[in-house]
Amino acid sequence: AQTVTQSQPEMSVQEAETVTLSCTYDTSESNYYLFWYKQPPSRQMILVIRQEAYKQQNATENRFSVNFQKAAKSFSLKISDSQLGDTAMYFCAFMKRGGNQFYFGTGTSLTVIP
Amino acid sequence: GAVVSQHPSRVICKSGTSVKIECRSLDFQATTMFWYRQFPKQSLMLMATSNEGSKATYEQGVEKDKFLINHASLTLSTLTVTSAHPEDSSFYICSARKNSGTGFWNEQFFGPGTRLTVL
Repeated sequence: AQTVTQSQPEMSVQEAETVTLSCTYDTSESNYYLFWYKQPPSRQMILVIRQEAYKQQNATENRFSVNFQKAAKSFSLKISDSQLGDTAMYFCAFMKRGGNQFYFGTGTSLTVIP
Repeated sequence: GAVVSQHPSRVICKSGTSVKIECRSLDFQATTMFWYRQFPKQSLMLMATSNEGSKATYEQGVEKDKFLINHASLTLSTLTVTSAHPEDSSFYICSARKNSGTGFWNEQFFGPGTRLTVL
């Protein structure tokens, strides 16, 4: 079974600053994907970034980057130059390669302070 | 990106009635769709996997006779909450897996969710 843990229920950051959200996971799978999803107040789930476990290079998408440590089973999300629109719930998720099912963490509520 | 719609976005019903929620993939075909339930300030919990042309696969603890799922076409899955009760009040989200036909990654796209309130 797969588990995903987000140990920070709530976080805040000043606008234009950088914030890092933590995520750890547990799995016996060797091939899998990791994701960060954003859920703003509208409740629409939005894919922020995806990492393939077999790739050593950390994924980046504009202001969003990850620190993927496979041995430590850690997958943190760094948001640079935080913007007010980044205020949302952020979910870390796992999916085994070839699978269908997401395993979501409990989420981190991020507030960007103007 | 691909678009998934849900209808209705909000529904209020009386206890004992049934409610149908639709999930549509607007610009792609989805052999597989998924239904999630999300309580306030909690994560998404997978309820069932909906497969086009076959029976849905339910997660442990989800009553298949209460949450009826039909996936009659490659672009439409429906979730019917039968004999709804106040404890069924929740936010229901669907996702649709895009059939890319290649590789191991078929991206899933989420609908905007449906808020169900049972009085």
